Amino acid sequence: ETGVTQTPRHLVMGMTNKKSLKCEQHLGHNAMYWYKQSAKKPLELMFVYNFKEQTENNSVPSRFSPECPNSSHLFLHLHTLQPEDSALYLCASSQDRGQSNQPQHFGDGTRLSIL
Amino acid sequence: KNQVEQSPQSLIILEGKNCTLQCNYTVSPFSNLRWYKQDTGRGPVSLTIMTFSENTKSNGRYTATLDADTKHSSLHITASQLSDSASYICVATENDYKLSFGAGTTVTVRA
Repeated sequence: ETGVTQTPRHLVMGMTNKKSLKCEQHLGHNAMYWYKQSAKKPLELMFVYNFKEQTENNSVPSRFSPECPNSSHLFLHLHTLQPEDSALYLCASSQDRGQSNQPQHFGDGTRLSIL
Repeated sequence: KNQVEQSPQSLIILEGKNCTLQCNYTVSPFSNLRWYKQDTGRGPVSLTIMTFSENTKSNGRYTATLDADTKHSSLHITASQLSDSASYICVATENDYKLSFGAGTTVTVRA
């Protein structure tokens, strides 16, 4: 148990569907992150929230829309996705965005498949 | 070009044997070097974090080394167990907060 819970664990959707990924952390952290992990490739940072404010958007297509209603919850809203968006989406949290010597705690991810 | 390169891409070892994974990075200014273990179907879990002033750090049977001059790190696994089968990810931190991830080394431990 890492203290970061992601739901659903698996998601299959068509290119015209709309779905949302959910992340919840029970660690009292202030920073939350969305990553994309494709096979044999390094993790790609997508979005960063620090104290509920979005601080980074790494040129992510607008078909991915994050939402952070409070420091414990993070959502990733999906619509009109492409087959190349199929990947493992990981959520992580850390005490603060600027505390670099603190580890990031990851959830177990949502395996997303786009048909 | 990725700023963190790991080798080998994968390796197979027999249970009880040792192995060493390599990581070279180019991030600058460098803040710290992390190793994560990722089991199949799970998220990465932190093993070690080393700042530029630390040469070695252990976590059980895992020992990480860091040479900030040559920008090289290694992760040594001692007396491997079946549960060590996983992907090991090297991460270099730049400017105190920007993480650069390697693609990982997949380790398979066989009985």
